[in-house]
Amino acid sequence: DTGVSQDPRHKITKRGQNVTFRCDPISEHNRLYWYRQTLGQGPEFLTYFQNEAQLEKSRLLSDRFSAERPKGSFSTLEIQRTEQGDSAMYLCASSWVGETQYFGPGTRLLVL
Amino acid sequence: SQQGEEDPQALSIQEGENATMNCSYKTSINNLQWYRQNSGRGLVHLILIRSNEREKHSGRLRVTLDTSKKSSSLLITASRAADTASYFCATAPNYGGSQGNLIFGKGTKLSVKP
Repeated sequence: DTGVSQDPRHKITKRGQNVTFRCDPISEHNRLYWYRQTLGQGPEFLTYFQNEAQLEKSRLLSDRFSAERPKGSFSTLEIQRTEQGDSAMYLCASSWVGETQYFGPGTRLLVL
Repeated sequence: SQQGEEDPQALSIQEGENATMNCSYKTSINNLQWYRQNSGRGLVHLILIRSNEREKHSGRLRVTLDTSKKSSSLLITASRAADTASYFCATAPNYGGSQGNLIFGKGTKLSVKP
């Protein structure tokens, strides 16, 4: 039984660069979520997909952020023109509709 | 915005003691979930309690839910050093449909001393 996986686990980038993160959900789950967590805070919702459709986006998801889930399987989260304020842990989770969300280990982003 | 508020923010106990953490929230919910997070790691799901349930047990964990007070508690009995972690409550708001996002609190940092 494989859980949610995320790649890379750590990313250091310079301000202004683009970064892309990947999430592979639990295979039978139809929902996939992205959250962001900063130090000392709980995770904050960014967006979620049901199958390949992106159903909801938080106001936190500025136009520099884009997420995709082609074919309803893995998902990517891209941040363009990174800023220091983007430094955070990016968490992915998957679930069935209305059921427990299972989280991956996260991708820790540091923008210098 | 963060809906849940955990209380206390930090809790330090001796091994073998019980630990109680509380969570309050603001809106109507479909369910409430508790998660554990070890420093710098991902979240581990502990227990889900639905809005029509009042109490749930899982091993050394006991969760209660009072929807009239919009509050929940997590009790860890006979704590162990390995229980040292941050604990978060997360609510699935009821917007009249099956919405996706969970709303997390800031967490309770539990330290269990051997």
